Amino acid sequence: GAGVSQSPSNKVTEKGKDVELRCDPISGHTALYWYRQSLGQGLEFLIYFQGNSAPDKSGLPSDRFSAERTGGSVSTLTIQRTQQEDSAVYLCASSPDGPRHEQFFGPGTRLTVL
Amino acid sequence: RKEVEQDPGPFNVPEGATVAFNCTYSNSASQSFFWYRQDCRKEPKLLMSVYSSGNEDGRFTAQLNRASQYISLLIRDSKLSDSATYLCVDNTNAGKSTFGDGTTLTVKP
Repeated sequence: GAGVSQSPSNKVTEKGKDVELRCDPISGHTALYWYRQSLGQGLEFLIYFQGNSAPDKSGLPSDRFSAERTGGSVSTLTIQRTQQEDSAVYLCASSPDGPRHEQFFGPGTRLTVL
Repeated sequence: RKEVEQDPGPFNVPEGATVAFNCTYSNSASQSFFWYRQDCRKEPKLLMSVYSSGNEDGRFTAQLNRASQYISLLIRDSKLSDSATYLCVDNTNAGKSTFGDGTTLTVKP
């Protein structure tokens, strides 16, 4: 079956512009995660959606970052007024039922802010 | 102190060697752990869960030491294809999975 998909695969933007990153989770997965991974670093948790519950936004690094998940499926991560330090790979993952279950990762969006 | 810490390596071993990685965690209440594998410029993929009694999958063995708060991954008879970065993750807290920064393994002919 189809895995987690993300778009675009690569995004180059200028400092100060807004960007939207999209994630399509595996159908039927109730949990969705966003992570950020800088070159040579580990995964930094950003936000977690579980079903219809309020998302856990505790990992968002600043108020320039926001995310939503429509209809319990597709999610969009928005970064406003991008900065060079936002350059990283943004990974989305989904799992069947929240923590303690395997997370399936998408291929990521590589964001470069010039 | 980071919540989940790993020795970044790199570990350079010859084919056929046995290699072990440790991952320490700070939350004594943590109960759910996984090992993921990440190839260069690829997304992480689940390698194996970590059960409290220890578990084995082929050449791979995972163990949890609650007293010392670490998990381990043992790879026997290393293959060239095992070269990757290995990430441990504490998956206990509702929603907030905490990943280590990874340990890089290079298996050489």
